[in-house]
Amino acid sequence: QSALTQPRSVSGSPGQSVTISCTGTSSDVGGYDYVSWYQQHPGKAPKLMIYDVSKRPSGVPDRFSGSKSVNMASLTISGLQAEDEADYYCCSYAGYYWVFGGGTELTVL
Amino acid sequence: EVHVVESGGGLVQPGGSLRLSCAASGFIVSGNYMNWVRQAPGKGLEWVSVIYSGASTYYTSSVRGRFTISRDNSRNTLYLQMNSLRADDTAVYYCAGGYSGTYRFDLWGQGTLVTVSS
Repeated sequence: QSALTQPRSVSGSPGQSVTISCTGTSSDVGGYDYVSWYQQHPGKAPKLMIYDVSKRPSGVPDRFSGSKSVNMASLTISGLQAEDEADYYCCSYAGYYWVFGGGTELTVL
Repeated sequence: EVHVVESGGGLVQPGGSLRLSCAASGFIVSGNYMNWVRQAPGKGLEWVSVIYSGASTYYTSSVRGRFTISRDNSRNTLYLQMNSLRADDTAVYYCAGGYSGTYRFDLWGQGTLVTVSS
């Protein structure tokens, strides 16, 4: 039950694109197409942004997209906006339980 | 409106016990799966426990044997009984719900803070 590996921070200017990686193992990310991503603003509860690797819940802008290759998942945010500044967490189903990444702080310059 | 509300957090001494509650509205706790996820101060999210619709339960290794997840179907409420609490259990505890057949946490509460300190 080791945490998934994410970069601690990324940054980009408004209008640019950023990608956050999430590396796991064949027991979690690589073993299931059930990677989800959560956005968390300071003092707030997490919010689901991507599920099943690349699907977006209703209401999430199409600027957010997800993908996966082998044991690494990625979240890409295009057309960065100021309100995208937040912490982002990946999460993978691992067979009856879940594992989160350590979180990535996104700064919009 | 679908939402969940946690309660029961507070200050407890090391070795003590606490029971958290998560009351759901517009979401059937017994028909779906419910999780507890915690976040230590300034740290990331950590999955703690799950109870499935069939009542199977699972725990992260650091709390197994000390914490017990359960639900009261009549009250549509989720619980987390926490015993033998340690300083490193200090965190905001969120309940997070997922619909059966899915593998995502659609529903999150606002969290309840548990502080373990003497």
